[in-house]
Amino acid sequence: AQSVAQPEDQVNVAEGNPLTVKCTYSVSGNPYLFWYVQYPNRGLQFLLKYITGDNLVKGSYGFEAEFNKSQTSFHLKKPSALVSDSALYFCAVRDMNNNAGNMLTFGGGTRLMVKP
Amino acid sequence: GAGVSQSPSNKVTEKGKDVELRCDPISGHTALYWYRQSLGQGLEFLIYFQGNSAPDKSGLPSDRFSAERTGGSVSTLTIQRTQQEDSAVYLCASSLAGRGEQFFGPGTRLTVL
Repeated sequence: AQSVAQPEDQVNVAEGNPLTVKCTYSVSGNPYLFWYVQYPNRGLQFLLKYITGDNLVKGSYGFEAEFNKSQTSFHLKKPSALVSDSALYFCAVRDMNNNAGNMLTFGGGTRLMVKP
Repeated sequence: GAGVSQSPSNKVTEKGKDVELRCDPISGHTALYWYRQSLGQGLEFLIYFQGNSAPDKSGLPSDRFSAERTGGSVSTLTIQRTQQEDSAVYLCASSLAGRGEQFFGPGTRLTVL
């Protein structure tokens, strides 16, 4: 079984400050990890993914995430937050060793509020 | 290019009626997924199609839910005898093969009165 935890329902940050949205995962094999963002009344937009290789992954809109195998974490980061980054963020995992498990398992989501 | 499209964007129905939700995936994407997003349950996987293989139906919550994919492209999710707990946003996604990142449509908001 695979699972994802996003421990914070909401993260508040001032514009211009760095932001971190936390994610931890559990899979039996090696993980594919993803971050998606959802703006109001919109579908999910892909931000970035980790498959293999460098632990620091860079994605859209200046976001990046760091894969930490020992801590089973994949925290989303951005050096300088924008008000327009305010949205709902989802972390997701898939077990790459499980050929039958092609679906994504999502965390509960974290609402990011960036205040001017 | 065109993204994943879904129709209708909103659907209001009465308890006990059947509904059909449609998804047009990105052209060339062989994998198609349905998810459900609701306040109490977050994002839940429903069903997965890959090429001509038998679909993975492991996420369907009851036998009132079914889906088909015609010609390896358009998919229809059908909910029979709708219940109020079926109210949610139904999201469709597609990807290349079965292992790439999934691209999501805007969703269909279903409200069962």
